[in-house]
Amino acid sequence: DAEITQSPRHKITETGRQVTLACHQTWNHNNMFWYRQDLGHGLRLIHYSYGVQDTNKGEVSDGYSVSRSNTEDLPLTLESAASSQTSVYFCASSEGGADQETQYFGPGTRLLVL
Amino acid sequence: AQSVAQPEDQVNVAEGNPLTVKCTYSVSGNPYLFWYVQYPNRGLQFLLKYITGDNLVKGSYGFEAEFNKSQTSFHLKKPSALVSDSALYFCAVTDKLIFGTGTRLQVFP
Repeated sequence: DAEITQSPRHKITETGRQVTLACHQTWNHNNMFWYRQDLGHGLRLIHYSYGVQDTNKGEVSDGYSVSRSNTEDLPLTLESAASSQTSVYFCASSEGGADQETQYFGPGTRLLVL
Repeated sequence: AQSVAQPEDQVNVAEGNPLTVKCTYSVSGNPYLFWYVQYPNRGLQFLLKYITGDNLVKGSYGFEAEFNKSQTSFHLKKPSALVSDSALYFCAVTDKLIFGTGTRLQVFP
């Protein structure tokens, strides 16, 4: 069955370190998204991609970067981790198109920045 | 600014009673409206969506939602709540990539 996976599921890092969170989908979806979930804020969009070599900034993109070199993967990099980036991170994908906006979510990565 | 609002942080309902989780939106154009559910330590799961057509849409697990253009609302409903419905529910306008802040539904036996 097609799925979307995230790794690691849990990560503890120190302030200032570079961290990369992996996201891999086997749906063959064009669109991929990264969100962070924080209490009181719901889901907020970090970056998104509508295809290979396409990346776009979301609402809370500062301090994060992504690259899309193939259809299946959209890794999220925290360039220099900060305590404010402690959060739960969700990756999602969708097929795209007018009636295909349903997003499929990964299980999440819980990141703690000390 | 475009937004999605879920005015209630938590909704409590007794098992067997009807439930409503509220959502209002403020976006330009014709929105694609979605409801997702999140169980503890899991990612979000699709429940139902409104793209166009019949204002009443039916989804998974007996849930339904009514699109009301004049009130810019898309409330989630279920005629008879189950304890297993207890979870976090998100309203979203996914073509605008906007999610609400979530409503925790607690169903008591």
